[in-house]
Amino acid sequence: DIVMTQSPDSLAVSLGERATINCKSSQSLLYSSNNKNYLAWYHQKPGQPPKLLIYWASTRESGVPDRFSGSGSGTDFTLTISSLQAEDVAVYYCQQYYTTPPYTFGQGTKLEI
Amino acid sequence: EVQLVESGGGLVQPGGSLRLSCAASGFTFSSYWMHWVRQAPGKGLVWVSRIKTDGSTTDYADSVKGRFTISRDNAKNTLYLQMNSLRVEDTAVYYCARGDVPLDYYFDSWGQGTLVTVSS
Repeated sequence: DIVMTQSPDSLAVSLGERATINCKSSQSLLYSSNNKNYLAWYHQKPGQPPKLLIYWASTRESGVPDRFSGSGSGTDFTLTISSLQAEDVAVYYCQQYYTTPPYTFGQGTKLEI
Repeated sequence: EVQLVESGGGLVQPGGSLRLSCAASGFTFSSYWMHWVRQAPGKGLVWVSRIKTDGSTTDYADSVKGRFTISRDNAKNTLYLQMNSLRVEDTAVYYCARGDVPLDYYFDSWGQGTLVTVSS
């Protein structure tokens, strides 16, 4: 199974500042035939279910604010929130879909203000 | 609007059984792979099981294989998870989630979850 490891485990960022969350996979998530990275990002606000933010490592889901961006390729990926808002307090998860099943998630990164 | 509503959670003793349901609305249920994902208290997300659009293919995490059975009723727009031989470590919030179309790679909609507590 592909192991996903996020860093840091928790992060405190001031309002309006940039937040960066990293995700590393135990093997490459880049499929050479289509040059796509098989990685998604979610966030989970307190008491709520997870919500899809980004797929294909950098494609924002419909309705997701453009302050959220995804980057990276191969085994190293980053989720960036360009200007942190109060409503962005959540736990953030990466998920690989290069080899499924199983679908595997990172352990989560708790983002606080 | 896509809606997924889980039910059937509760307190059960180790070795017991429980059946979860997930009622879907707002989309063509029969066109989507469906999944169960669980989250133990204070822990991260763990994929549990998936089922193909027509129910012909099912897959399970190793931790539940042989104990859990996923099924669906497309006429009722409902997903199920039959959980047998429950263990304390199965205690979690269980979410149903919709796989994206057409390739079922990521989860684009989630229910609110139902809590299963396994304890004596």
